[in-house]
Amino acid sequence: DAGITQSPRHKVTETGTPVTLRCHQTENHRYMYWYRQDPGHGLRLIHYSYGVKDTDKGEVSDGYSVSRSKTEDFLLTLESATSSQTSVYFCAISDSSAGVGNTEAFFGQGTRLTVV
Amino acid sequence: QKEVEQDPGPLSVPEGAIVSLNCTYSNSAFQYFMWYRQYSRKGPELLMYTYSSGNKEDGRFTAQVDKSSKYISLFIRDSQPSDSATYLCAMSDHSNYQLIWGAGTKLIIKP
Repeated sequence: DAGITQSPRHKVTETGTPVTLRCHQTENHRYMYWYRQDPGHGLRLIHYSYGVKDTDKGEVSDGYSVSRSKTEDFLLTLESATSSQTSVYFCAISDSSAGVGNTEAFFGQGTRLTVV
Repeated sequence: QKEVEQDPGPLSVPEGAIVSLNCTYSNSAFQYFMWYRQYSRKGPELLMYTYSSGNKEDGRFTAQVDKSSKYISLFIRDSQPSDSATYLCAMSDHSNYQLIWGAGTKLIIKP
């Protein structure tokens, strides 16, 4: 298994509170991604990073921010959690940009977040 | 209309059957096509990768791409209960970092 660790694995939080999810990799891969997965929507990209301090928005970035101060860590912050952000969050890593070459994205185990 | 359409299922078949899973897409620029398998409460894992059109075979799995019809398929031969999972298609063009995902098809193989 690729060395990706997400923490926490489960979290329940109240509406309006900030929440930070952490993704840690030991593969030294350049690219890191945060996705959310909801029934009927599949995986939707929130933010991604193509290097330390280099990040960009994905399809559903509103209400989320990210930071990458080290190659191995990619943090996702919900600035003020809402019930619509209840979801399963996956971190993924890849050695080159998605779709270029025979690129596999390796996924973490996911974080189940419930906003009440 | 979503860029990638995938029937959510569930698709239930008896053990040993041939399974056909499909995705349709609208963006003719897509060139890279992937199938991921996701077991319950786990992250997705790559099963098959195909560039452009054609077929690719790996053991019991065959991936097929028909760019003229904007249609991709994954065939599973001699299906096993351990194949029960959700199968997601994903695709991209060469110019951006983002994979575009189907919603996933839940497959159940009955012993």
